[in-house]
Amino acid sequence: GENVEQHPSTLSVQEGDSAVIKCTYSDSASNYFPWYKQELGKRPQLIIDIRSNVGEKKDQRIAVTLNKTAKHFSLHITETQPEDSAVYFCASPGTASKLTFGTGTRLQVTL
Amino acid sequence: DAMVIQNPRYQVTQFGKPVTLSCSQTLNHNVMYWYQQKSSQAPKLLFHYYDKDFNNEADTPDNFQSRRPNTSFCFLDIRSPGLGDAAMYLCATSIRTGNYEQYFGPGTRLTVT
Repeated sequence: GENVEQHPSTLSVQEGDSAVIKCTYSDSASNYFPWYKQELGKRPQLIIDIRSNVGEKKDQRIAVTLNKTAKHFSLHITETQPEDSAVYFCASPGTASKLTFGTGTRLQVTL
Repeated sequence: DAMVIQNPRYQVTQFGKPVTLSCSQTLNHNVMYWYQQKSSQAPKLLFHYYDKDFNNEADTPDNFQSRRPNTSFCFLDIRSPGLGDAAMYLCATSIRTGNYEQYFGPGTRLTVT
């Protein structure tokens, strides 16, 4: 089955700085890579996803890059704000019918 | 608004007393998932339904059962809750499995006393 590793487990940045979270996956057939944001006590919410036919996707301050050769994908958040503080999960389905989640990154944006 | 609804939002049960959590959706999605999430961990898939086809994860304890009586509703039954079953239970839906966005409900926080 798919194996997803996520780093770092915690990340602290100052407001206005950029944050980068990285994930690697094992199944070379995987072609869908979502990122979920989960605030304390709330549901995971999809913030951005990328499919394997593109190398980068942007949505305002959030971007995701994908390197299929190296089997890794990254979440980039620019101009971080306090409301970006949350736990972020990457995921990949591989060839399975389910998503395999990374272990999560707790992002803290300090003033 | 189309959405995924979970009831109750908070559930307290006694050790060994059966409990049922419910999930409903207005998205008309084919797939419904049940996840268990413990503090500071990723959601752990328990099982999912694709239409009426039930798919159990290999490591899901027998203590956990599920029912999907129709497209809109899915239930999680915990037959004999233990202290280790205290967690957030998340329901999610998607159009199909695999490469499709999953929409999560708000979750039910289960406490076992």
